[in-house]
Amino acid sequence: DVVMTQTPPSLSVAIGQSVSISCKSSQSLVYSDGKTYLHWLLQSPGQSPKLLIYQVSNLGSGVPDRFSGTGSQKDFTLKISRVEAEDLGVYYCVQATHFPDTFGAGTKLELK
Amino acid sequence: QVTLKESGPGILQPSQTLSLTCTFSGFSLSTYGMGVGWIRQPSGKGLEWLANIWWDDDKYYNPSLKNRLTISKDTSNNQAFLKITNVDTADTATYYCARIGWDYWGQGVMVTVSS
Repeated sequence: DVVMTQTPPSLSVAIGQSVSISCKSSQSLVYSDGKTYLHWLLQSPGQSPKLLIYQVSNLGSGVPDRFSGTGSQKDFTLKISRVEAEDLGVYYCVQATHFPDTFGAGTKLELK
Repeated sequence: QVTLKESGPGILQPSQTLSLTCTFSGFSLSTYGMGVGWIRQPSGKGLEWLANIWWDDDKYYNPSLKNRLTISKDTSNNQAFLKITNVDTADTATYYCARIGWDYWGQGVMVTVSS
């Protein structure tokens, strides 16, 4: 299985601060169709996960443009500019290029 | 508007079979390219993909659980199902269904395996 390694495991931030989360895969996530099926999810406290970014850099429906995703091959980053209180929770990267789909262990974003 | 909702027994005993239902709206599993997946999350832990079913009835299972999982669908009633046989306390988790692509998720259903 493809191993997804997220760092850091947790982040303590102040409102308005910008943060980045890293996700590295054990294999290239470029599929045979040329696309990269690396997505980012946010699980707010007590909620189900919500899609933030799909295929590395595309914003999910209704997701503010404070969120951005970059990366390629095996190395990906989620950036949140100007963190707001509603952004707190656990962020997961997930790859759907290789069978089976695998998730990172999560990065918990907390208020400082 | 896409919605999904899981339902299940809540609690069951070791060795029993867990049956879960995902009832969805806003899309159809008879539409080309559509699929539904099941994911679970033990309390305080991460996400584990379990199984997917596609519009053409293709099915995929997590190899670590493959022999215990059965996924199916009822296209007419917009439902997907997951059965897990011979459950153990390690199967205690919140179970989610989601549209493949992971763009829409259900609220999750808590399942406890306890004697």
